[in-house]
Amino acid sequence: GAVVSQHPSWVICKSGTSVKIECRSLDFQATTMFWYRQFPKQSLMLMATSNEGSKATYEQGVEKDKFLINHASLTLSTLTVTSAHPEDSSFYICSASLPGRDTIYFGEGSWLTVV
Amino acid sequence: GQQLNQSPQSMFIQEGEDVSMNCTSSSIFNTWLWYKQEPGEGPVLLIALYKAGELTSNGRLTAQFGITRKDSFLNISASIPSDVGIYFCAGLNTNAGKSTFGDGTTLTVKP
Repeated sequence: GAVVSQHPSWVICKSGTSVKIECRSLDFQATTMFWYRQFPKQSLMLMATSNEGSKATYEQGVEKDKFLINHASLTLSTLTVTSAHPEDSSFYICSASLPGRDTIYFGEGSWLTVV
Repeated sequence: GQQLNQSPQSMFIQEGEDVSMNCTSSSIFNTWLWYKQEPGEGPVLLIALYKAGELTSNGRLTAQFGITRKDSFLNISASIPSDVGIYFCAGLNTNAGKSTFGDGTTLTVKP
């Protein structure tokens, strides 16, 4: 199957700092990528849809100024958590849709811990 | 918005038993996807279904796309301890706009 990779797989940062998470489609071009947040033992919560070359579409209740999403190329989307606080600690996962095929592939996920 | 009802929420079974889980929706989907997520990792695609009535197998896993296009099921035969994880269904429509995910089925297999 198609490969989607996230980096870093885990990160610890101090409260008030910003953290960037990258999501790459390694063997295909993804015009659309998705960012999710997942709390322990819960389902995936869609945060935003990232479209290459345009602004991301955020889900209701997700602060666009806090969770900055950039999709500058067909293989890379980034999520920046700005002014991170301990309550932002979570598992963040990206996915990308395979063009021409209604299939979505997920990255490995990134653990963010804000201390 | 579209919602998926995935059941059961959790299952505790003995190794060797068969497992069945399903997802239902009030909306029609063109594609159904089934994923498995292990702790600390992203979901991994197990089976993709693109046609109503389609029955697809992947090893001990079998999934079907319901005729009404509003439901799908996943069966796991002869379960083994490494089947442990959370299984998610997802429904999509053409051009993969936004997908809709079930809340997951947590599977525990006792050796």
